[in-house]
Amino acid sequence: GAGVSQSPSNKVTEKGKDVELRCDPISGHTALYWYRQRLGQGLEFLIYFQGNSAPDKSGLPSDRFSAERTGESVSTLTIQRTQQEDSAVYLCASRGLDPFRGTEAFFGQGTRLTVV
Amino acid sequence: GENVEQHPSTLSVQEGDSAVIKCTYSDSASNYFPWYKQELGKRPQLIIDIRSNVGEKKDQRIAVTLNKTAKHFSLHITETQPEDSAVYFCAASIRRGSTLGRLYFGRGTQLTVWP
Repeated sequence: GAGVSQSPSNKVTEKGKDVELRCDPISGHTALYWYRQRLGQGLEFLIYFQGNSAPDKSGLPSDRFSAERTGESVSTLTIQRTQQEDSAVYLCASRGLDPFRGTEAFFGQGTRLTVV
Repeated sequence: GENVEQHPSTLSVQEGDSAVIKCTYSDSASNYFPWYKQELGKRPQLIIDIRSNVGEKKDQRIAVTLNKTAKHFSLHITETQPEDSAVYFCAASIRRGSTLGRLYFGRGTQLTVWP
């Protein structure tokens, strides 16, 4: 695709349920990032994948959060036993080496998660 | 790890005036510094970036300056317009060959341009 695609766009879930968020990066991008953005707040780092290296999981707030990426393709962020404080927009971004665009990171439109 | 500080957190200017947002970073190995603009309800988008081998870069009304010695970089917007109103994020990253490092973001600056 032309850009980073995230699904679903919106997700409403009941407290205690598990959710899975998906990110389709730009083809060929080796780096992929997940961020959380609460209303009116900044970009909170969650996890970063670079090629086949071990991911940097240092931003995951608890063991309820996990993420996977297969090679340089799709990534999924899973939140188990959701809590109300998990409500936020979850943003995915990907980066690659482009002779014209350099190493710009492109963001997806985000998944707005609401835990009720 | 890297720590990026951004100031001010809010900035209000009159249309036509200039706006300056400043960021500092802690890791001297950082060599890539992008700036992102996020309009309300939208995704962040790159507006300008600079590499550590350059001291200044300009694109129309937007410029970025980098001081590697002091480890700080700044965004300058001249002749501001109401459509410049948004949240601006600075970031720092380390690129080593084909390895694109983690992006460390500042906390953001809410810029409001009054007509």
